[in-house]
Amino acid sequence: GDSVTQMEGPVTLSEEAFLTINCTYTATGYPSLFWYVQYPGEGLQLLLKATKADDKGSNKGFEATYRKETTSFHLEKGSVQVSDSAVYFCALEDNAGKSTFGDGTTLTVKP
Amino acid sequence: EPEVTQTPSHQVTQMGQEVILRCVPISNHLYFYWYRQILGQKVEFLVSFYNNEISEKSEIFDDQFSVERPDGSNFTLKIRSTKLEDSAMYFCASLGAGELFFGEGSRLTVL
Repeated sequence: GDSVTQMEGPVTLSEEAFLTINCTYTATGYPSLFWYVQYPGEGLQLLLKATKADDKGSNKGFEATYRKETTSFHLEKGSVQVSDSAVYFCALEDNAGKSTFGDGTTLTVKP
Repeated sequence: EPEVTQTPSHQVTQMGQEVILRCVPISNHLYFYWYRQILGQKVEFLVSFYNNEISEKSEIFDDQFSVERPDGSNFTLKIRSTKLEDSAMYFCASLGAGELFFGEGSRLTVL
């Protein structure tokens, strides 16, 4: 079955540091790939997505590129802020709309 | 902006009681989903629903669970006899334009 493996956390960074959260996937077919963010006490929010190979999703300074050759969708941000502190989930969605999530990576950004 | 709404936001119940969680998906969406997130763990797929029937369900979705679309707007998840391990955040989602839109979740606490 489909699976998503995320870099283990938690990740603690200082403000303005560079962020990478690794994500790799296993899937049959051609899934769409997503990053979701969950702020403390809140639900899931879509952060960015990519629907085919070599697509780059971007939002709020975050980026991720769909790499079919390495089956990866790593999340990056050049300069993190305290307000970016949250749990980040990588996910894939199959053709039926069913999503499979990674374990989540907790990011804490310190001033 | 259209959104998925869920009620209640938090429900506390005694073990063995029935619980109904309600969701109002985005009005023109046709595919609906329930996901579950046990505290501190990953988001897990429970069930997908299309054309008034279950299209896929996970092994978590046993006979204690059922879903229903009783009218044109609501989509409900019923747990017949709750267990302690059903304590979790339950997310409803609907699919539109290849993107899952999540509600803010219903937190279920089983005592």
